[in-house]
Amino acid sequence: AQSVAQPEDQVNVAEGNPLTVKCTYSVSGNPYLFWYVQYPNRGLQFLLKYITGDNLVKGSYGFEAEFNKSQTSFHLKKPSALVSDSALYFCAVRPRNTGGFKTIFGAGTRLFVKA
Amino acid sequence: ETGVTQTPRHLVMGMTNKKSLKCEQHLGHNAMYWYKQSAKKPLELMFVYSLEERVENNSVPSRFSPECPNSSHLFLHLHTLQPEDSALYLCASSHNRDEDNSPLHFGNGTRLTVT
Repeated sequence: AQSVAQPEDQVNVAEGNPLTVKCTYSVSGNPYLFWYVQYPNRGLQFLLKYITGDNLVKGSYGFEAEFNKSQTSFHLKKPSALVSDSALYFCAVRPRNTGGFKTIFGAGTRLFVKA
Repeated sequence: ETGVTQTPRHLVMGMTNKKSLKCEQHLGHNAMYWYKQSAKKPLELMFVYSLEERVENNSVPSRFSPECPNSSHLFLHLHTLQPEDSALYLCASSHNRDEDNSPLHFGNGTRLTVT
């Protein structure tokens, strides 16, 4: 079965420190990869996506993600965390050539950034 | 504003009630989605409409009935729900093209409580 795993329910970091939110997936082929963020009482917002090419993808708010094909991972990173980055982060995967309608989400990782 | 508007934001209903959730997108997208978000679980895709035609129905109970009268509007009609249906219901839209890598744009959701 196709799935997305976010192994950490919660990640705690101090403001100014680098952060990593992990994601691995089990989807056949070379899927498209996405990260979304959800702030309290809001819907999900798109952060970045990987289609092809450079394994390091840059997105909104200073976030970036590193794709590793051999490990089927797509970890979200930021060099210096802000308190305002505290939110719920979702990794998502979309198989290619499926009409674009099936996006598989992970269960989410809650990020806490302490001042 | 996210470009995708959902009403109401909160809804409390009894198990014998009938209610409807509404979603409207102002982004010119051609696909619309209903997702269910429950705590600590991956987002569950419920229904997908592309150009007003239903293209995905993920084994959702018949007490949930979607309607898509045009490409900008999406409804979810609810009747005889169960307490376990309490969740955040998210509407999303996307502009699907052949590349099928366009991100989803989400509304802020309707928090549904079934008593």
